[in-house]
Amino acid sequence: QQQVKQSPQSLIVQKGGISIINCAYENTAFDYFPWYQQFPGKGPALLIAIRPDVSEKKEGRFTISFNKSAKQFSLHIMDSQPGDSATYFCAATFPQGGSEKLVFGKGTKLTVNP
Amino acid sequence: DGGITQSPKYLFRKEGQNVTLSCEQNLNHDAMYWYRQDPGQGLRLIYYSQIVNDFQKGDIAEGYSVSREKKESFPLTVTSAQKNPTAFYLCASRSGPSNNQPQHFGDGTRLSIL
Repeated sequence: QQQVKQSPQSLIVQKGGISIINCAYENTAFDYFPWYQQFPGKGPALLIAIRPDVSEKKEGRFTISFNKSAKQFSLHIMDSQPGDSATYFCAATFPQGGSEKLVFGKGTKLTVNP
Repeated sequence: DGGITQSPKYLFRKEGQNVTLSCEQNLNHDAMYWYRQDPGQGLRLIYYSQIVNDFQKGDIAEGYSVSREKKESFPLTVTSAQKNPTAFYLCASRSGPSNNQPQHFGDGTRLSIL
């Protein structure tokens, strides 16, 4: 299964709260898991990424937690700010035909209320 | 600044007309990609190219065509055979065949039907 299932579809959080977005996959050939942030009218921008041999990666207020046995990974945004309001996509890559194919979740629209 | 430039930002197509979306990158990246984004959907791969003069179909290539005559350019033509072309089109690039290199995106072209 070349799919990444993302939830929730939308999320509303108060300023200062924790935003949590979850993703699950089936294909064990996935070997890299990036998260992208997209603002309206803009292209997605790489936020943070993790390899499956690492259980957690933190960059500032953003943390990826990775559970290889459960085939799940999640993005935590600590101290959420109104400027974090955007659509977030989880993704996964796997090798195909000498290149890498990137598969996206369907996105989570995050709204952080002031 | 190094990056990916997509033009135009907005494009309108008449019935039966072919239109071409431009994508230029000055990142010296080998691989380039075209994605289609529809509301509430993740990104779906249309075509990709790993090197000059070579390209491969993605998951939804029907009704589209590409060329890769120069390393920095990867134009996408939306042909009249594409019956539902209204979408946000995103171009991306990635450096070389090395594993776990992220894709970087342009700011997209929004195509609508007149």
